Amino acid sequence: EDQVTQSPEALRLQEGESSSLNCSYTVSGLRGLFWYRQDPGKGPEFLFTLYSAGEEKEKERLKATLTKKESFLHITAPKPEDSATYLCAQFGRAGGTSYGKLTFGQGTILTVHP
Amino acid sequence: DGGITQSPKYLFRKEGQNVTLSCEQNLNHDAMYWYRQDPGQGLRLIYYSQIVNDFQKGDIAEGYSVSREKKESFPLTVTSAQKNPTAFYLCASSMRRANSPLHFGNGTRLTVT
Repeated sequence: EDQVTQSPEALRLQEGESSSLNCSYTVSGLRGLFWYRQDPGKGPEFLFTLYSAGEEKEKERLKATLTKKESFLHITAPKPEDSATYLCAQFGRAGGTSYGKLTFGQGTILTVHP
Repeated sequence: DGGITQSPKYLFRKEGQNVTLSCEQNLNHDAMYWYRQDPGQGLRLIYYSQIVNDFQKGDIAEGYSVSREKKESFPLTVTSAQKNPTAFYLCASSMRRANSPLHFGNGTRLTVT
């Protein structure tokens, strides 16, 4: 069964204190790994897609990286407005019963204090 | 602006009643999805549809039903058979292409008492 595990469950940072969130996945032959940001009471907002090990994507203070077993979301000098839940997700491998389905991790709740 | 509209934002129902959640998209996406989100859990897939007039069960389809009569619309009915219907429901759409990201609406919070 495809699994996505995120850590830590919650992370509290001071403004300007850089850190990383982790996303571990179990599907071999990864077809795509996605990062989303979700604000309370809202739907997830798409951030990045990573396709292959070694790939990196950046957007403002966020950088996503991918290895063969996990992905990291690095947050550099965060601000209070970066506070949100960050979700990662993977597509099931082609040909399997999970084809076309996205499996989500449980998310990391990030709080950045001023 | 293109996007996904879910309505209503909040919905209250009595136990034993069926309720239908609306989802409309104007992104011209072929694929649409329904997810359920509960506190402390990842999003769980209820149903998904790759094309009009076709849909597949997700991981937790019991007690739910869907239809896909139009490309733009993918309503979800929560039936009285769903044992724990109170949750935050999210609709999404994507292009029907490998590795295409999902775009989400802002959800409907359903409370059943």
